[in-house]
Amino acid sequence: AQSVTQLGSHVSVSEGALVLLRCNYSSSVPPYLFWYVQYPNQGLQLLLKYTTGATLVKGINGFEAEFKKSETSFHLTKPSAHMSDAAEYFCAVNLNQAGTALIFGKGTTLSVSS
Amino acid sequence: ETGVTQTPRHLVMGMTNKKSLKCEQHLGHNAMYWYKQSAKKPLELMFVYNFKEQTENNSVPSRFSPECPNSSHLFLHLHTLQPEDSALYLCASSPSGGYTGELFFGEGSRLTVL
Repeated sequence: AQSVTQLGSHVSVSEGALVLLRCNYSSSVPPYLFWYVQYPNQGLQLLLKYTTGATLVKGINGFEAEFKKSETSFHLTKPSAHMSDAAEYFCAVNLNQAGTALIFGKGTTLSVSS
Repeated sequence: ETGVTQTPRHLVMGMTNKKSLKCEQHLGHNAMYWYKQSAKKPLELMFVYNFKEQTENNSVPSRFSPECPNSSHLFLHLHTLQPEDSALYLCASSPSGGYTGELFFGEGSRLTVL
């Protein structure tokens, strides 16, 4: 069975500090992996995705994530946090390579202080 | 005009009421989804429609009844709900059911059951 685990339901950083949000997955087939962001009272917006090819994936707003098969991880990073990055972040995995729906982690709330 | 539009954005209903949530996508997609987002829980896939045909029902109680009259519209009919059904209901779309990329989400309908 496929699943997604996000370590830490809440992460707090100072403005300008490194952001690291952790995601581990389990999948019986090579996964397609996604990070979404949700701002208050809004739907989910895609930050970045890994399907095939380069394992370091760059997304919007300066975020990037690296697919590490040996560690079954897809951690999200940003070198310097901005106040506007405060939101909830979701990691997701494709049900299978020809699947129709995503399985989501429980989410991590990122707080950024000045 | 946003890609995926959900109405109403907020809904309060009693346990004996009947109401409906509406989703409309303007992206030319052929697959549509309903997800339930409850506090402190992962997003739960409820239903998947591909070319108007339901392809997945994730053991959802019958008090939730989906309807997909065409590839652009998706409804969720609600009747005799329970307070634990209070949640954010998110609609999403994708090019087709076999698409392995991201889902495109609406802003959600916040449902409160009294």
